[in-house]
Amino acid sequence: NAGVTQTPKFQVLKTGQSMTLQCAQDMNHNSMYWYRQDPGMGLRLIYYSASEGTTDKGEVPNGYNVSRLNKREFSLRLESAAPSQTSVYFCASSPRGNYGYTFGSGTRLTVV
Amino acid sequence: GIQVEQSPPDLILQEGANSTLRCNFSDSVNNLQWFHQNPWGQLINLFYIPSGTKQNGRLSATTVATERYSLLYISSSQTTDSGVYFCAAFKAAGNKLTFGGGTRVLVKP
Repeated sequence: NAGVTQTPKFQVLKTGQSMTLQCAQDMNHNSMYWYRQDPGMGLRLIYYSASEGTTDKGEVPNGYNVSRLNKREFSLRLESAAPSQTSVYFCASSPRGNYGYTFGSGTRLTVV
Repeated sequence: GIQVEQSPPDLILQEGANSTLRCNFSDSVNNLQWFHQNPWGQLINLFYIPSGTKQNGRLSATTVATERYSLLYISSSQTTDSGVYFCAAFKAAGNKLTFGGGTRVLVKP
């Protein structure tokens, strides 16, 4: 099915461990995004990539790095996980920034 | 940055009831979107509505950009309407979509 695919769906990390969340879209969208969603809150933007070859910080970038590997793929890396990074992470893509967002199904990350 | 506030935070409806969700935003925006997050966590884009009114089945949305608010109407609610409804505002200067805190809707049979 066309859309945004995130892996893994669930992950438990110990404090200090590192991991990479993967995201791929097959809709030929230019822009891709990483959001986090905490209980009772809306989504907050971590990083985004307006087009292939560019990345920019969002509202809450500390503790994260990203790579826009190609037009299809946008990964999010936690170098040294902290309990405050326990959250549900969503990847999204859009043809351009202001409309047509499609979201992945999310990655539920727990840091203990 | 732009602030987006939604009300009410929680809403319990009896199946068949109508309801209105509100979204206020603090600055002029280039775009306003409504999303539904179902109980399984999937986010679905409902409306792209920078101004005016749109309808999609039992759902409709109105944005009054000059007064910085948008409304989402749910008519003849069904249990499948349960979930969290988010509005999100886009401002070109920031090049990002800012989400409100959501309205959690529970439709009881």
